[in-house]
Amino acid sequence: DTEVTQTPKHLVMGMTNKKSLKCEQHMGHRAMYWYKQKAKKPPELMFVYSYEKLSINESVPSRFSPECPNSSLLNLHLHALQPEDSALYLCASSRTWTSGSTDTQYFGPGTRLTVL
Amino acid sequence: GENVEQHPSTLSVQEGDSAVIKCTYSDSASNYFPWYKQELGKRPQLIIDIRSNVGEKKDQRIAVTLNKTAKHFSLHITETQPEDSAVYFCAASYGGGGNKLTFGTGTQLKVEL
Repeated sequence: DTEVTQTPKHLVMGMTNKKSLKCEQHMGHRAMYWYKQKAKKPPELMFVYSYEKLSINESVPSRFSPECPNSSLLNLHLHALQPEDSALYLCASSRTWTSGSTDTQYFGPGTRLTVL
Repeated sequence: GENVEQHPSTLSVQEGDSAVIKCTYSDSASNYFPWYKQELGKRPQLIIDIRSNVGEKKDQRIAVTLNKTAKHFSLHITETQPEDSAVYFCAASYGGGGNKLTFGTGTQLKVEL
């Protein structure tokens, strides 16, 4: 299995809702990432997990809460989002996240999020 | 931090022609340079990558060249086909901080019949 999967594909939520995005990989990768991508822009890194521990938080607002329950799963919990948070949320994984690493990052298909 | 510039932002070629996209990076410590293709509504997909100990890499119609002295790398697509139409992102990874990718701003490639 060489794929990263994400659910749901689409999500519409109100500003008071709580929802979660899910990401899964079975490649044995020990690094997992959340990216946010706006239309016609490159992906922006949000969080990095390495060996199920949060390694990087790119100053993301607390209304986004990541969780890594095990080495194959990555969640992103959403609460009190704003309309400007509407975007494509991409999950990615790589073999490792270590100094000097040149491991390839593989992206999931993304969740298209609309905040009303 | 690393900064990656990508040109052109849009590129239109005739089917069968070659396409070249260029990127420059700022951090001489960067050691990994992937290229991703993203079709509309789809995931970014790795099409080719190059590491800093190699100057050129080729995979069928796609090639990437790296000039470490000048800090630039380029994507070359030969014999373009309509299915090559997509947005292409270059990226650079600074190995000293995990493998965080800094992306270029993207190139919209359109292959016309």
